[in-house]
Amino acid sequence: QVQLQESGPGLVKPSETLSLTCTVSGGSISSYFWSWIRQPPGKGLEWIGYIYYSGGTNYNPSLKSRVTISVDTSRNQFSLKLTSVTAADTAVYYCARGTRRYFDLWGRGTLVTVSS
Amino acid sequence: QSVLTQPPSASGTPGQRVTISCSGSTSNIGSNAVSWYQQLPGTAPKLLIYSNNERPSGVPDRFSGSKSGTSASLAISGLQSEDEADYYCAAWDDNLNGVVFGGGTKLTVL
Repeated sequence: QVQLQESGPGLVKPSETLSLTCTVSGGSISSYFWSWIRQPPGKGLEWIGYIYYSGGTNYNPSLKSRVTISVDTSRNQFSLKLTSVTAADTAVYYCARGTRRYFDLWGRGTLVTVSS
Repeated sequence: QSVLTQPPSASGTPGQRVTISCSGSTSNIGSNAVSWYQQLPGTAPKLLIYSNNERPSGVPDRFSGSKSGTSASLAISGLQSEDEADYYCAAWDDNLNGVVFGGGTKLTVL
């Protein structure tokens, strides 16, 4: 069955760029919308943005100036870059598959801590 | 503060029916479909309900969703101990041009 797996550094310094990759296994990335969602420790969920397999993107307005989501269909991966991070960006980051309106498959999530 | 409003907590006893509410506005719930997610402790969220009242394959029919105007509800009947989790509602928001979530409701099975 299709599985999603996040990967990337667990620790990022303030003002630097957070970079994560989601690898899709057991199925093709060439359909669906592919999203990033985060959850600060002990708090709720926040949608970061999505990319369609053909490359179209849409970002949360509150993060838009700092976010880039890209897709590599040859590797069945999509990626997140978040620039100029602060402690407020510390969270579990999830990648997810779905439509524009809901997410039907989630990765296990990866904790990213912003600290010097 | 979340765009969609949920009660922070809910509780029930085994076998009981509980409902969790989700309140929004005309730009989100009022004009778009609602989805619901279950997050068991220490795990990733799981899709429970989409398009207001549709259940993905594998989700028990004890879980049901409804929507009226700018509010939505998740109902869980025949409550079981394994239903103890956080529950989140979500919807597209036309003003923000993105997905918004509720703050989550922690369900305790007494």
